[in-house]
Amino acid sequence: AQSVTQPDIHITVSEGASLELRCNYSYGATPYLFWYVQSPGQGLQLLLKYFSGDTLVQGIKGFEAEFKRSQSSFNLRKPSVHWSDAAEYFCAVGAITQGGSEKLVFGKGTKLTVNP
Amino acid sequence: DAGITQSPRYKITETGRQVTLMCHQTWSHSYMFWYRQDLGHGLRLIYYSAAADITDKGEVPDGYVVSRSKTENFPLTLESATRSQTSVYFCASSPGPDHEQYFGPGTRLTVT
Repeated sequence: AQSVTQPDIHITVSEGASLELRCNYSYGATPYLFWYVQSPGQGLQLLLKYFSGDTLVQGIKGFEAEFKRSQSSFNLRKPSVHWSDAAEYFCAVGAITQGGSEKLVFGKGTKLTVNP
Repeated sequence: DAGITQSPRYKITETGRQVTLMCHQTWSHSYMFWYRQDLGHGLRLIYYSAAADITDKGEVPDGYVVSRSKTENFPLTLESATRSQTSVYFCASSPGPDHEQYFGPGTRLTVT
């Protein structure tokens, strides 16, 4: 069965520092991979997605992620964090059901705190 | 405005009562989903629907019922609410496989 692991429950960085959030997945086929962000009290917003092609994908708000098949990873990065990036980040893998539908399996999330 | 909406945004109910959470999307997306979000568990899929009149169970379906008579609506019913169903519920929609899902703002449900 497919699964997603986000090893870091909580990360704290200083504003202006670089950021890397880790994500490892388990899925038998070529995965669809996503990163979502959730601000407090809000729904989830898509940051970026990987379906195929270039393994380095660019997203909104200056985020990027790199798909590494050999490591089953899809880590999220940002070169310089802004205070407004404080939120919870979810990695997800898209899995195709037997009926041909797609469902997302989410990691448990990483909460990001940004210090001034 | 176009998008995906959920109602109510907040709900308090008592154990044993029936409660229905509404989800409406204006994109005519084929796929719709219900998730619950709990501390330490992330988001877990309750039910999903690939089209009107087609629904299927997700990871945690027990105690929930869904229907989808119209493409744009996907209500979630708790037939007899329990305290363990206290959670934040998110609805999402998608045009289909290999597309991202778009999430609603969530419904915070408290069962007393």
